[in-house]
Amino acid sequence: GAVVSQHPSWVICKSGTSVKIECRSLDFQATTMFWYRQFPKQSLMLMATSNEGSKATYEQGVEKDKFLINHASLTLSTLTVTSAHPEDSSFYICSARPPGLVLEQYFGPGTRLTVT
Amino acid sequence: GENVEQHPSTLSVQEGDSAVIKCTYSDSASNYFPWYKQELGKRPQLIIDIRSNVGEKKDQRIAVTLNKTAKHFSLHITETQPEDSAVYFCAASSRYNFNKFYFGSGTKLNVKP
Repeated sequence: GAVVSQHPSWVICKSGTSVKIECRSLDFQATTMFWYRQFPKQSLMLMATSNEGSKATYEQGVEKDKFLINHASLTLSTLTVTSAHPEDSSFYICSARPPGLVLEQYFGPGTRLTVT
Repeated sequence: GENVEQHPSTLSVQEGDSAVIKCTYSDSASNYFPWYKQELGKRPQLIIDIRSNVGEKKDQRIAVTLNKTAKHFSLHITETQPEDSAVYFCAASSRYNFNKFYFGSGTKLNVKP
């Protein structure tokens, strides 16, 4: 149980375009999902907390107009990187919290974004 | 905010030996401490966690200890196997904001056969 998927697993886009990444909880409903960013050989940094039916809570320093998060259903959250630039190239990982659990987070497989 | 430091950054052990990874935290309000294993290009996987009301937790070859007074917690892997090779991350979250995980910088464990 507690399986989280992401799509796509990798994407290459041109500078100035937008990219959407999907995060799905496959076998549970997640009222809360999280988006992280991970640079090569570095740790995970929380970008935002996504709550179903409400606006996402962004961490300090994360541009909400650049990283659009939509949590439209209990099993799907999307992250859209708008007007992508090469510095946005990174590994983006989502996580979700199954119902009944207060603390644990289960991670998706990640999406590697390369902006050329 | 919370600051989690993790040591060592790399660790090489011989198969069958034990491995210990240590983390310290700064916020006394932190009360949940998970450990994640991440293989190259894969998702972080929760391997064990501990809450602040417990001093030690064990699951087969993996154990975690917590010293609240000193604000440090450690991951212990016994009888290491080559498949234990990965990057391990510790994390901490506060009782006042359990949504936010503060991650350590990671330890790359290499188990030599």
